[in-house]
Amino acid sequence: GAGVSQSPSNKVTEKGKDVELRCDPISGHTALYWYRQSLGQGLEFLIYFQGNSAPDKSGLPSDRFSAERTGGSVSTLTIQRTQQEDSAVYLCASSLELWEETQYFGPGTRLLVL
Amino acid sequence: AQTVTQSQPEMSVQEAETVTLSCTYDTSENNYYLFWYKQPPSRQMILVIRQEAYKQQNATENRFSVNFQKAAKSFSLKISDSQLGDTAMYFCAFMKLNSGNTPLVFGKGTRLSVIA
Repeated sequence: GAGVSQSPSNKVTEKGKDVELRCDPISGHTALYWYRQSLGQGLEFLIYFQGNSAPDKSGLPSDRFSAERTGGSVSTLTIQRTQQEDSAVYLCASSLELWEETQYFGPGTRLLVL
Repeated sequence: AQTVTQSQPEMSVQEAETVTLSCTYDTSENNYYLFWYKQPPSRQMILVIRQEAYKQQNATENRFSVNFQKAAKSFSLKISDSQLGDTAMYFCAFMKLNSGNTPLVFGKGTRLSVIA
């Protein structure tokens, strides 16, 4: 596609519910990254994918967070049993190759947990 | 671990004037990239300018330029002839070069308001 897209744009959920956030990277980009932006904070790196593989999950905040990528394209970030502290903007980025110096960001999903 | 510090949470500037946003970083690495990203209300992070640490010449992109002081670990962004469309959050970011698992490390951002 022309750019990185993310859906939904906004999500309001109740505490304890599960949510799925979707990222469509730029076509042909092998690397995909997830970041979290909490209010008043910079971006916190969560996880990266090289193809469908995520070698390092240590950046995920808790075991309620998981991510997958299928077909080397679309990625889904899942948060189980959401908590109020999960409220944030979740940004996805992609690059042609892993750790290439230019990452292209999507518009993010704003998650609000009530 | 690398850290990036932006000491100015908010700034404002009159349209057509010049403003400088500060950024300092801490690293023991010698080879790395530094970036300034702009995040308008649409939330989409847009790369404004990039500097390779091995280059002594300061990067310039139209009205945007940086003052890169490697010894001082300082990387400020100068916006000349400020425009209303420059109103946004600006993030300074760091990335190691060619060393594997090295995600972008961001500062907390500076909110810039351009006033007509």
